[in-house]
Amino acid sequence: EPEVTQTPSHQVTQMGQEVILRCVPISNHLYFYWYRQILGQKVEFLVSFYNNEISEKSEIFDDQFSVERPDGSNFTLKIRSTKLEDSAMYFCASSDPEWGNKNIQYFGAGTRLSVL
Amino acid sequence: SQQGEEDPQALSIQEGENATMNCSYKTSINNLQWYRQNSGRGLVHLILIRSNEREKHSGRLRVTLDTSKKSSSLLITASRAADTASYFCATDAIFTSGTYKYIFGTGTRLKVLA
Repeated sequence: EPEVTQTPSHQVTQMGQEVILRCVPISNHLYFYWYRQILGQKVEFLVSFYNNEISEKSEIFDDQFSVERPDGSNFTLKIRSTKLEDSAMYFCASSDPEWGNKNIQYFGAGTRLSVL
Repeated sequence: SQQGEEDPQALSIQEGENATMNCSYKTSINNLQWYRQNSGRGLVHLILIRSNEREKHSGRLRVTLDTSKKSSSLLITASRAADTASYFCATDAIFTSGTYKYIFGTGTRLKVLA
């Protein structure tokens, strides 16, 4: 069964450093998403991406965040200057553009980001 | 309650017993998903149920959906110690742009005692 894959599974970085989290969505999917889960809290929507541009973003997704689809298979989340409070699990998701499936998102296993 | 609110927040049972978790939501949905998460780990997809479905089964899992009450339940039968985890429901919500996001609940922490 096709799946969303995320790398690395755990990323450790120093405060102030830039970090890039990588995701490979399911191959025929065209909608892409990032979510965040701070330890002990809910999974929260960050951003959705379609047709090479951001469709929607939450108030969490400020100027230090950016997303990109650098090639035909990868989808990345960049945090420019990490803060301690960016420590969280980050989940990538994708969905099929076909009508009736667009609202079904498939999630990756997540990348745990630890900012020291 | 918030969209995708689970109850109870915590549940402790003996191995072999059944565990039932509930999820309530506020707005209309197209589908609802249940996930499991072990402490500090990623999401494991359990079951997706569409709004036109009332019940789905997968192994020892049974999910029901009552759209009139805006609620869903997850039943784990004959629980095992390995079922110890947090369980979340997630419901889809549409933006004005026509794209979707998922709204997750705070989860039920299930502890199965051996």
